[in-house]
Amino acid sequence: AQSVAQPEDQVNVAEGNPLTVKCTYSVSGNPYLFWYVQYPNRGLQFLLKYITGDNLVKGSYGFEAEFNKSQTSFHLKKPSALVSDSALYFCAVRDIGGSSNTGKLIFGQGTTLQVKP
Amino acid sequence: SAVISQKPSRDICQRGTSLTIQCQVDSQVTMMFWYRQQPGQSLTLIATANQGSEATYESGFVIDKFPISRPNLTFSTLTVSNMSPEDSSIYLCSVPDRGLYNEQFFGPGTRLTVL
Repeated sequence: AQSVAQPEDQVNVAEGNPLTVKCTYSVSGNPYLFWYVQYPNRGLQFLLKYITGDNLVKGSYGFEAEFNKSQTSFHLKKPSALVSDSALYFCAVRDIGGSSNTGKLIFGQGTTLQVKP
Repeated sequence: SAVISQKPSRDICQRGTSLTIQCQVDSQVTMMFWYRQQPGQSLTLIATANQGSEATYESGFVIDKFPISRPNLTFSTLTVSNMSPEDSSIYLCSVPDRGLYNEQFFGPGTRLTVL
């Protein structure tokens, strides 16, 4: 079965410093990986995805993610954090080829990012 | 990208009652997904709603508790029946972008509190 894990409940960084939010995955077949962000009292917003191609994927709001097949990881990164980046971040994998083959998303536990001034 | 609206945005309900949540999309979509996000938790898929057929429920979710309607390609409802405090969650509907490998778009969610 497909799954993703986010090993950190919370990540704290100072504004202006680089940030990394970790995600590892377990899939059978090719991984289709996504990052979403959830601001307080808001729905989920799509940040970026990896389907195929370059291992470094660039997304919204200056975020990027690095796909590493050997380490089965898809860590979210940003070179310089902003206080406004403080939110809940979810890694997700698309379940392709399951019994229902609906392509549903399977989410990690979520990581709260706290950026302090 | 699809624009998704949900009604109500939040509600406080009494134990034993039912609440119907509406989801409206600004474009026609074949599949719609309903997720639950319990307090401090991740998102869990409740069911997949296809127009013209019965919804497909995930393990742990049943139609009697979460009946779903999908009358057309832009609208769906999720009912939370015979509610208990354990049903207090955010309920989100979601639609996929064109193509099975693309991202999903999410509505703003319905925050439900059951007393």
